[in-house]
Amino acid sequence: DTAVSQTPKYLVTQMGNDKSIKCEQNLGHDTMYWYKQDSKKFLKIMFSYNNKELIINETVPNRFSPKSPDKAHLNLHINSLELGDSAVYFCASRPNSGPPLGSIYFGEGSWLTVV
Amino acid sequence: AQSVTQLGSHVSVSEGALVLLRCNYSSSVPPYLFWYVQYPNQGLQLLLKYTSAATLVKGINGFEAEFKKSETSFHLTKPSAHMSDAAEYFCAVSESGGYNKLIFGAGTRLAVHP
Repeated sequence: DTAVSQTPKYLVTQMGNDKSIKCEQNLGHDTMYWYKQDSKKFLKIMFSYNNKELIINETVPNRFSPKSPDKAHLNLHINSLELGDSAVYFCASRPNSGPPLGSIYFGEGSWLTVV
Repeated sequence: AQSVTQLGSHVSVSEGALVLLRCNYSSSVPPYLFWYVQYPNQGLQLLLKYTSAATLVKGINGFEAEFKKSETSFHLTKPSAHMSDAAEYFCAVSESGGYNKLIFGAGTRLAVHP
């Protein structure tokens, strides 16, 4: 069973469209994240939710809106897509306590290409 | 603020040779340190982590790393490289408390040649 699953894995869309990426974790973790990996492989955190509450919001355009309907899900909605949004988006989760404290588990990534 | 520096964006070794990937960190609080591996077109897999227990940490696939506070380093090593080790490796740091957001280094691409 996949611990952190993301859909879709690949997404090609036109500029100006609105798209969503979904993430679900079955680990019972309390904290979830979205990371962005750019074309140079650099990974940067975008958002973090703890038990459905937004706790980290890095400098991200407000076209990006995360939504957490429950603590097992963290979706990412992107409005008015731009070429520069092309990247790999990783969802991740971690437990708030207990072993392995500090470990963050990543999904397989969603490859977004904006044309 | 925390940061991670990975020295060498590309490292090339021969099969069977020692692998050494360098990572230096900056943190004002006791850090947690991680190494992740990313194979082509795949997600991130945790190789090993340091969370203030033993300073020499053993991970999967024969990798290990040593936390050296005096040098603020957490270099990744493997005694004998295998072709299947070719991948991108990321060092990351997070605070030992708080919400543990990971700060990643820029990554090191490891190539293994016959």
